[in-house]
Amino acid sequence: AQTVTQSQPEMSVQEAETVTLSCTYDTSESDYYLFWYKQPPSRQMILVIRQEAYKQQNATENRFSVNFQKAAKSFSLKISDSQLGDAAMYFCAYRALDSNYQLIWGAGTKLIIKP
Amino acid sequence: NAGVTQTPKFQVLKTGQSMTLQCAQDMNHEYMSWYRQDPGMGLRLIHYSVGAGITDQGEVPNGYNVSRSTTEDFPLRLLSAAPSQTSVYFCASHEGGNQPQHFGDGTRLSIL
Repeated sequence: AQTVTQSQPEMSVQEAETVTLSCTYDTSESDYYLFWYKQPPSRQMILVIRQEAYKQQNATENRFSVNFQKAAKSFSLKISDSQLGDAAMYFCAYRALDSNYQLIWGAGTKLIIKP
Repeated sequence: NAGVTQTPKFQVLKTGQSMTLQCAQDMNHEYMSWYRQDPGMGLRLIHYSVGAGITDQGEVPNGYNVSRSTTEDFPLRLLSAAPSQTSVYFCASHEGGNQPQHFGDGTRLSIL
């Protein structure tokens, strides 16, 4: 069975600096999708970035980028120029390419931004 | 564009009571899911549906029922509420493939 592990329950970073959140996963599949979601105190779940496993190029979305290491089954999220609004829980999620398309979630990392 | 709408946002129940959490989406998505979120844990899948009339169990289905009579609606029923079901519940929908899930705002449910 697939699993997703986020080994950092909490991270803190100074405003304007860069922080990297870790995510590893276990799967025997060769094709799949990976996602990072953000959950601010408002409780909404917001998509940050996604990566298709067949793409070698790392996905980027403005200040957010990933380091996707397929052989190592690692999918870390880098946030550049951290802002106070980035403070939230961040969840990593895996989706297999089967007919059900369900997500498997990590336990989350709480990101604290220090002003 | 409403997206995924969950009602109610908050609910307090007594042990043994039953209730239905409502979820509706207006994006014509085939795939819908119910999750629960507990402190220190990721989202855990309760039930999901891959289309109208088709549902299946997720990781933690005990104590919950679902049905999918239309593409738009996917209600979650608590049959006999227990304190262990105190949680935040999220409904989500998506198109499949690499498309992300769209989430409702969640329901905070407390069972006394």
